[in-house]
Amino acid sequence: KAGVTQTPRYLIKTRGQQVTLSCSPISGHRSVSWYQQTPGQGLQFLFEYFSETQRNKGNFPGRFSGRQFSNSRSEMNVSTLELGDSALYLCASSFAQGGSPLHFGNGTRLTVT
Amino acid sequence: GQQVMQIPQYQHVQEGEDFTTYCNSSTTLSNIQWYKQRPGGHPVFLIQLVKSGEVKKQKRLTFQFGEAKKNSSLHITATQTTDVGTYFCAGENTGTASKLTFGTGTRLQVTL
Repeated sequence: KAGVTQTPRYLIKTRGQQVTLSCSPISGHRSVSWYQQTPGQGLQFLFEYFSETQRNKGNFPGRFSGRQFSNSRSEMNVSTLELGDSALYLCASSFAQGGSPLHFGNGTRLTVT
Repeated sequence: GQQVMQIPQYQHVQEGEDFTTYCNSSTTLSNIQWYKQRPGGHPVFLIQLVKSGEVKKQKRLTFQFGEAKKNSSLHITATQTTDVGTYFCAGENTGTASKLTFGTGTRLQVTL
């Protein structure tokens, strides 16, 4: 069974630009969560989607948004990029919402210059 | 909001020594999960604990969930170089919000 696929793997953007990251969950998984990982802050929860609805949201500014499609694929968007947005963005899928183990993708490494 | 702390932040051991990382939550948890992230990799699920006082073993790894369901520990017996990585606990609230809050992580370095 294919794992969680995230694209692109690497991205370099300039301050002020926007970016869209993509995540394809494991087949049959309906929940997709997004995390931001930085050396100083660890793994910070961004949001979770289940059946195309945002179920939970972390403490990130409105510049961070996401959505989930009917096939469970998810995208996250960051607008007006700041230097501090440089991080590894990890997507994780799970079979159900709540209590299910997360299966992470390889992540997208975003560098903002 | 919920906070999950882990100690130590970093530990360097010689191969064959034991290692323990501790996880403490500010709130009572419905369950706790443990993940391992190898350098340059992504977190990989190891185990989930649900019951108060639960103990589970995976070969050289022993996981415990505290009686009050607010703390947990991971103990590795006789570490090997393959154990190198960062170990994260992740707790889920007992409330209606079902998001996992990850701990700060413990980075383990093992040398020969």
